[in-house]
Amino acid sequence: DSGVTQTPKHLITATGQRVTLRCSPRSGDLSVYWYQQSLDQGLQFLIQYYNGEERAKGNILERFSAQQFPDLHSELNLSSLELGDSALYFCASSPPESADTQYFGPGTRLTVL
Amino acid sequence: DQQVKQNSPSLSVQEGRISILNCDYTNSMFDYFLWYKKYPAEGPTFLISISSIKDKNEDGRFTVFLNKSAKHLSLHIVPSQPGDSAVYFCAASPGLFGNEKLTFGTGTRLTIIP
Repeated sequence: DSGVTQTPKHLITATGQRVTLRCSPRSGDLSVYWYQQSLDQGLQFLIQYYNGEERAKGNILERFSAQQFPDLHSELNLSSLELGDSALYFCASSPPESADTQYFGPGTRLTVL
Repeated sequence: DQQVKQNSPSLSVQEGRISILNCDYTNSMFDYFLWYKKYPAEGPTFLISISSIKDKNEDGRFTVFLNKSAKHLSLHIVPSQPGDSAVYFCAASPGLFGNEKLTFGTGTRLTIIP
């Protein structure tokens, strides 16, 4: 158990819909990262937050947005969903003293029908 | 453009022997490298890392070697155990404060044969 929690574990929805994925980092970790893993793909970095502020952005679609709240939990919002958005979405967190080492949550499996 | 490459999608090794997983990278800005292990239905678990100032880092049965000139790293597991069967991802980071995003390879599925 990495200490990073993600909800829900599974999500099934229809095209055009909007969903919110939630992540709680490990206690004391200020950075939260979101990654997407599509079928047969490596993990693709989406976005990073540090202590409530956006720190780095990867290949995140404009239909996707995220935020980190004062209690440091983070939400990833996916809207106007398409079939190709079906994937595993992982959240990771890292401690201030070792920012390069990220600890991953169990992921949310999103299926868009 | 795949900046981190794991060219072997799968690898089978006899229990007790050495497992060697390879990873190549193209971005010379990468300064910090990590290996993650992933079981089905779980998130990646951090295994071992290495900074570019080193060429070797060891942790129990796991050793990571870095060859900066060849832009190549490898993970050695010895002796291999059945519980090591998993997908292994190589990842790299620029190691810059404020830009710690990881770039992952596509993974190598390791199967340990009893």
